[in-house]
Amino acid sequence: GAVVSQHPSWVICKSGTSVKIECRSLDFQATTMFWYRQFPKQSLMLMATSNEGSKATYEQGVEKDKFLINHASLTLSTLTVTSAHPEDSSFYICSAKSSGLAGDSYEQYFGPGTRLTVT
Amino acid sequence: KQEVTQIPAALSVPEGENLVLNCSFTDSAIYNLQWFRQDPGKGLTSLLLIQSSQREQTSGRLNASLDKSSGRSTLYIAASQPGDSATYLCAVSSGTYKYIFGTGTRLKVLA
Repeated sequence: GAVVSQHPSWVICKSGTSVKIECRSLDFQATTMFWYRQFPKQSLMLMATSNEGSKATYEQGVEKDKFLINHASLTLSTLTVTSAHPEDSSFYICSAKSSGLAGDSYEQYFGPGTRLTVT
Repeated sequence: KQEVTQIPAALSVPEGENLVLNCSFTDSAIYNLQWFRQDPGKGLTSLLLIQSSQREQTSGRLNASLDKSSGRSTLYIAASQPGDSATYLCAVSSGTYKYIFGTGTRLKVLA
């Protein structure tokens, strides 16, 4: 089956620094990727839709200047948390929608997540 | 705006019991519904995907049903095992492919 990876799986950073999280589709091309965040004991909330070659679309309430998304290729999207603060500590999960595969059923494939802790 | 709710929020059952997890959504215009399992501190494991044109899907001891008109889905787990303990999430996808996730059901199966 299709595989999505995330790197790093776990990161600790100091308040005020920036952190980049990568999301890769390993064996398929993904023109669209999605970024979610999950606070402890809560469900996943969609942050933004990442489209290859164009600007990301952010959900209401998500600061686009704080969460920079770059989808530079058909297999890679990056999320950069700028000037991170402790309240940004969360579990970030990406998903990728396959494009061009036979039998495309709108299924998305989810990455394993990245746990960010800001101290 | 699509809202997805799961009942119960938490469930504790003895090993061997059959159980049903419920998911309801407010907008029936969906493309598919997917059930996931999430272990503590881990990512998502896809369990079953139901297309909007389908009524149910089965995989091993799991059976998921979909009633689009009433905005409901159920996940049936047969002969539960301690290894089934996890949080179960349902999510619905609409025309923009975005998934809206439910609030989750935390399941604990007691040995």
